[in-house]
Amino acid sequence: NAGVMQNPRHLVRRRGQEARLRCSPMKGHSHVYWYRQLPEEGLKFMVYLQKENIIDESGMPKERFSAEFPKEGPSILRIQQVVRGDSAAYFCASSPRARMGQPQHFGDGTRLSIL
Amino acid sequence: AQTVTQSQPEMSVQEAETVTLSCTYDTSESDYYLFWYKQPPSRQMILVIRQEAYKQQNATENRFSVNFQKAAKSFSLKISDSQLGDAAMYFCAYRSFTGAGSYQLTFGKGTKLSVIP
Repeated sequence: NAGVMQNPRHLVRRRGQEARLRCSPMKGHSHVYWYRQLPEEGLKFMVYLQKENIIDESGMPKERFSAEFPKEGPSILRIQQVVRGDSAAYFCASSPRARMGQPQHFGDGTRLSIL
Repeated sequence: AQTVTQSQPEMSVQEAETVTLSCTYDTSESDYYLFWYKQPPSRQMILVIRQEAYKQQNATENRFSVNFQKAAKSFSLKISDSQLGDAAMYFCAYRSFTGAGSYQLTFGKGTKLSVIP
């Protein structure tokens, strides 16, 4: 059973470009969380999605960031007009159901570097 | 808002010895879970151990155990018989149901553990 797959592993963008980060949850998992990890920091929650629905985007910057989890295909975190401060590792986690004790399974992350 | 504090940015332990990593949290909730995650240099996030707030018995997983003090809002991780492969960043995390409808994790800033051969 494949784990959570994130791609690309590394992404380099110039300021002003768009970044698209992909996350395929584990098989049977319909709940996806995105987190951002700045250097020397812990992970910070960004957004929680179920298939075709954004449930909680309270951690997402109001501008330039968006997320989706379509009926078919991976979840996408999209960052428009990237700036240097967007450089970070972005992690996706999935779970089969929304239960407090249900562990979230993490992908290996995408390291985004902005030139 | 819930917060998680890890007061030890770095720790070191001699191989085969025992080390304890500290974590405190702040919450007004009575029902929640606490987790320890390990992040080795490969950057994977690996679940080490979890504790439900309603359970008084401390969780254990092989060489890993916790000391959960609910009244003090403390959740420390003890690693026994430390091995070189234990070297990593360790993150304490808190989880409860949020008003926005999710079970997001709130992480501390981490403790970098070095294991000395």
